[in-house]
Amino acid sequence: AQSVTQLDSQVPVFEEAPVELRCNYSSSVSVYLFWYVQYPNQGLQLLLKYLSGSTLVKGINGFEAEFNKSQTSFHLRKPSVHISDTAEYFCAVSDLKAAGNKLTFGGGTRVLVKP
Amino acid sequence: EAGVTQFPSHSVIEKGQTVTLRCDPISGHDNLYWYRRVMGKEIKFLLHFVKESKQDESGMPNNRFLAERTGGTYSTLKVQPAELEDSGVYFCASSQERRENSPLHFGNGTRLTVT
Repeated sequence: AQSVTQLDSQVPVFEEAPVELRCNYSSSVSVYLFWYVQYPNQGLQLLLKYLSGSTLVKGINGFEAEFNKSQTSFHLRKPSVHISDTAEYFCAVSDLKAAGNKLTFGGGTRVLVKP
Repeated sequence: EAGVTQFPSHSVIEKGQTVTLRCDPISGHDNLYWYRRVMGKEIKFLLHFVKESKQDESGMPNNRFLAERTGGTYSTLKVQPAELEDSGVYFCASSQERRENSPLHFGNGTRLTVT
């Protein structure tokens, strides 16, 4: 079984400032890692994913995340946020040995970008 | 191509009533998933269809929930009778394959409120 902890439920940030959303996971097996974003009144969209290879993963809209196996973390970062980045962000994992799309999600982090 | 469509977008029912949620996946996507987010909690997996067959229904909370996917196209999720704790947002997602490399496309969700 896996679990995902997103340490911040809300993150207020000023426009053009950097942001980091923290995600830690717990699993007895190797996992794939994902970040999804939900904009207001929309469904979830995939931001980026880590399957294997380079631990620094680049996604859409200028986001990137770094997989740290020793710390079981997959923190999401963006060097300069825009108003349009206001959304809720979800970290998720899936078991390598199971179907790749059965996801375990964290509780979500609401990002509010202020002008 | 059209995305994953869920209907209705909102539903308000009284405790004890029946509600049926519908999901139309992206055409050609054999894999269909239902997820649920209860207020303030994580998004949780409910079940997974491959075509018309239930591949994994380990997340279904109890026998008041019935999911079907007749003909392997659209899916319905029926809650009968509804209880207060069933309130939340129900997401449907689809993918072409089960593998982690096959992107998961989410619908906008159905917000269910049981009063």
